[in-house]
Amino acid sequence: DVKVTQSSRYLVKRTGEKVFLECVQDMDHENMFWYRQDPGLGLRLIYFSYDVKMKEKGDIPEGYSVSREKKERFSLILESASTNQTSMYLCASSLSLGVGAFFGQGTRLTVV
Amino acid sequence: GIQVEQSPPDLILQEGANSTLRCNFSDSVNNLQWFHQNPWGQLINLFYIPSGTKQNGRLSATTVATERYSLLYISSSQTTDSGVYFCAAPVQGAQKLVFGQGTRLTINP
Repeated sequence: DVKVTQSSRYLVKRTGEKVFLECVQDMDHENMFWYRQDPGLGLRLIYFSYDVKMKEKGDIPEGYSVSREKKERFSLILESASTNQTSMYLCASSLSLGVGAFFGQGTRLTVV
Repeated sequence: GIQVEQSPPDLILQEGANSTLRCNFSDSVNNLQWFHQNPWGQLINLFYIPSGTKQNGRLSATTVATERYSLLYISSSQTTDSGVYFCAAPVQGAQKLVFGQGTRLTINP
């Protein structure tokens, strides 16, 4: 089975902190994604990566950056956390979207 | 871009009942996925079903690509089936999934 693992299930950070959310997949997938999920807004794509060191902006990249130094790991970085970044963050990977995506367990981030 | 709409938004049933969840999409797709988001927030893959019918235990899904809809059937519902069900389709030419708004299913004992 594909396994996508996010480093934390719950995280509380202070405004202005630099925050790293880590995601690791074990299936040698080319593509990795970061989504955030908010009530009433559904799942929105922040960034995705289709190869090591390659990244593309999604629908809501402002305030975020990403890093993909190794194929199995995709990190989401909040350079200076703000309260409006309080959300559920979901990482996913796929060999190709034509054959489906697999999600991690999610990280519920609270910025205070 | 592609629009994905799910209905109903909420569904409350007694244990043992059957349910049908619907997903409509605005453009032709080469993949359609169904997910179950459990109470802890994880999205669990249920089906990858670009067309036809698939079954997995009490769950089955049918996609009629020519008519741009997919149905998820849950038979003999259990309380553990509760959660939010999402369908999602990839955007043509882009590495991006578009999600519906979800159907919140509550199964009461």
